[in-house]
Amino acid sequence: NAGVTQTPKFRILKIGQSMTLQCTQDMNHNYMYWYRQDPGMGLKLIYYSVGAGITDKGEVPNGYNVSRSTTEDFPLRLELAAPSQTSVYFCASIHLVGAFFGQGTRLTVV
Amino acid sequence: DQQVKQNSPSLSVQEGRISILNCDYTNSMFDYFLWYKKYPAEGPTFLISISSIKDKNEDGRFTVFLNKSAKHLSLHIVPSQPGDSAVYFCAASFGNEKLTFGTGTRLTIIP
Repeated sequence: NAGVTQTPKFRILKIGQSMTLQCTQDMNHNYMYWYRQDPGMGLKLIYYSVGAGITDKGEVPNGYNVSRSTTEDFPLRLELAAPSQTSVYFCASIHLVGAFFGQGTRLTVV
Repeated sequence: DQQVKQNSPSLSVQEGRISILNCDYTNSMFDYFLWYKKYPAEGPTFLISISSIKDKNEDGRFTVFLNKSAKHLSLHIVPSQPGDSAVYFCAASFGNEKLTFGTGTRLTIIP
């Protein structure tokens, strides 16, 4: 049972480039989330999904897009990377009252 | 608007003593509270939770207390061990919806 898998673990992007952060869970959870964590800050919710085909904005959605075509996958897309998007990104899936997190993607935009 | 607050960014405790981490919230609709532990370069891992219908939940060395009237919860770790050194996040949810996290407290256990 792999839980929540995020790829890549590290990435350096140039300003204006685009990329997709992948997130897959094998626990058949409906709720999935994308958070970012900036140094000294808590986890801020970017986007979330309550099931396949349903997504909604969190606290800090600007500059990001998501899709949820299957229960397992919840990719996060950055279209025009900006230095303000330098952060560590965590994907999570939630069942009942616990959240399972991926190991994180450290993204640097230069 | 920070709905979940952890006002102490860091805490140092002697090994064997009690560690107390605090968390305050402002949204009275929150009905479930959780604590997560995070080591460097890893995702947060679930530690312990408490429903708003309870005021205490215990799991081994970890106990979470909830004071609804004060909108305050705390995590007690006793006895503290070196492996407990990590960043601890409290989180709150309402109706199984999205989790709102605090900013975290870095706990350092001094041998």
